[in-house]
Amino acid sequence: DSGVTQTPKHLITATGQRVTLRCSPRSGDLSVYWYQQSLDQGLQFLIQYYNGEERAKGNILERFSAQQFPDLHSELNLSSLELGDSALYFCASSANPSNQPQHFGDGTRLSIL
Amino acid sequence: LAKTTQPISMDSYEGQEVNITCSHNNIATNDYITWYQQFPSQGPRFIIQGYKTKVTNEVASLFIPADRKSSTLSLPRVSLSDTAVYYCLVGASFSGGYNKLIFGAGTRLAVHP
Repeated sequence: DSGVTQTPKHLITATGQRVTLRCSPRSGDLSVYWYQQSLDQGLQFLIQYYNGEERAKGNILERFSAQQFPDLHSELNLSSLELGDSALYFCASSANPSNQPQHFGDGTRLSIL
Repeated sequence: LAKTTQPISMDSYEGQEVNITCSHNNIATNDYITWYQQFPSQGPRFIIQGYKTKVTNEVASLFIPADRKSSTLSLPRVSLSDTAVYYCLVGASFSGGYNKLIFGAGTRLAVHP
């Protein structure tokens, strides 16, 4: 158990819809990261937050947004969903934003029908 | 960020030692080398991290030569449960204050009875 909690575990929705994925980091971790893993793309870094502020951006689409709240949990919002957005979305956390290892949750599987 | 190259797949048998080598010719002075393990439909799990020479923990050893252009993850006496994808990552800058991980395709290790 990594200590990182992601909800929901599975999500099925239709094209054009909007969903919100939630992540609770390990106790004491201030930094949260989001990744997308699809079959043909591997694990792709999306975005990082540290203590409520955006710290780094990766390959995140404009239709996607995220935030980290004062209690340090984070949400990833995906809108105008397309079939290609079907993937596993992982959240990870670390104690600080530098080289500390990241600890991953077990992901949310998003299926777009 | 340094790009990594590792074998796409490896096969081994129970009880054998497995060594997975990763090349990272463009590693920066501040970069650490980190290895993760991922089982299907689970988040990557941190295995080991090092900067130079040798690091050992309860599950693996990491060997890093003086030039740091490669590293080798060593798994002693593998079992069937070690069948997974192993990722080598280089990055995470102290000065930049970010921890952006770039995952490659990883090495699929299959352990046979």
